[in-house]
Amino acid sequence: LAKTTQPISMDSYEGQEVNITCSHNNIATNDYITWYQQFPSQGPRFIIQGYKTKVTNEVASLFIPADRKSSTLSLPRVSLSDTAVYYCLVGDMYTPLVFGKGTRLSVIA
Amino acid sequence: DTAVSQTPKYLVTQMGNDKSIKCEQNLGHDTMYWYKQDSKKFLKIMFSYNNKELIINETVPNRFSPKSPDKAHLNLHINSLELGDSAVYFCASSQSGLAGDEQFFGPGTRLTVL
Repeated sequence: LAKTTQPISMDSYEGQEVNITCSHNNIATNDYITWYQQFPSQGPRFIIQGYKTKVTNEVASLFIPADRKSSTLSLPRVSLSDTAVYYCLVGDMYTPLVFGKGTRLSVIA
Repeated sequence: DTAVSQTPKYLVTQMGNDKSIKCEQNLGHDTMYWYKQDSKKFLKIMFSYNNKELIINETVPNRFSPKSPDKAHLNLHINSLELGDSAVYFCASSQSGLAGDEQFFGPGTRLTVL
C-alpha cells in the first residue's frame, strides 16, 4: 500500500485557489489517486480520482505529473463551505481504502 | 433523499453491553462497508459485503459481527462493548465490489462506551 504524505493543515482566504499536494513516492503501476473530503460530523465524500496527467470535474482538478510520485488537488475559488479535511488515497481498485489524517483546510472570510 | 443512512446517530452505553448499528442504502449498490474512525481521526475499513456476502474482514475483534439481510442493508452488532470501541462508525456503499470505486458514506454513528 503506497504511503501518502500531505500537509496537516492549510489556511486560505475566500475566493482564492487552493492547491493541496500529496506525496506518494512508492506508488505502484496499478494504483489510482483518489481524493475525499470530510466535513465535521459527516462521512467522507468522494471528490475526484485520477491515474495520470489531469482530471477535472465540477468540483476540483487533479494534477498528476508524469512520474506519478505526487499529485495536487486544486480547488478553484474556495468559499467558507470548503472548510473540511481533504484525504489523499493511493491504491489499486482492489485495495481497501485507508484514510490517513488528511489536510485540514480552513477558509477564512 | 438520503443515499446512505445510519441509525442511531449517537449511542451511549455501558461497558459489557451489546449494541447494534443499522445501515441502509437506497442507491441500488452491490457493496457495503463499515469503517471505524478513532479519536485520532484515522478512518479504517472493518468489513465489506458484496451482495450479502462478506468479502473483506480486516483485523477486527470477533465481538464485531456484520449482518446483511439484503444488499441494501448492512448492520453492525457489537458484543461485550469495551472502552476502546468508542469511535465514530461509518457505513458506506459502492456500485461494484472494487474498493477503489467511488464510495458513498453515511453520516456516522458516534458510539461512546462508559
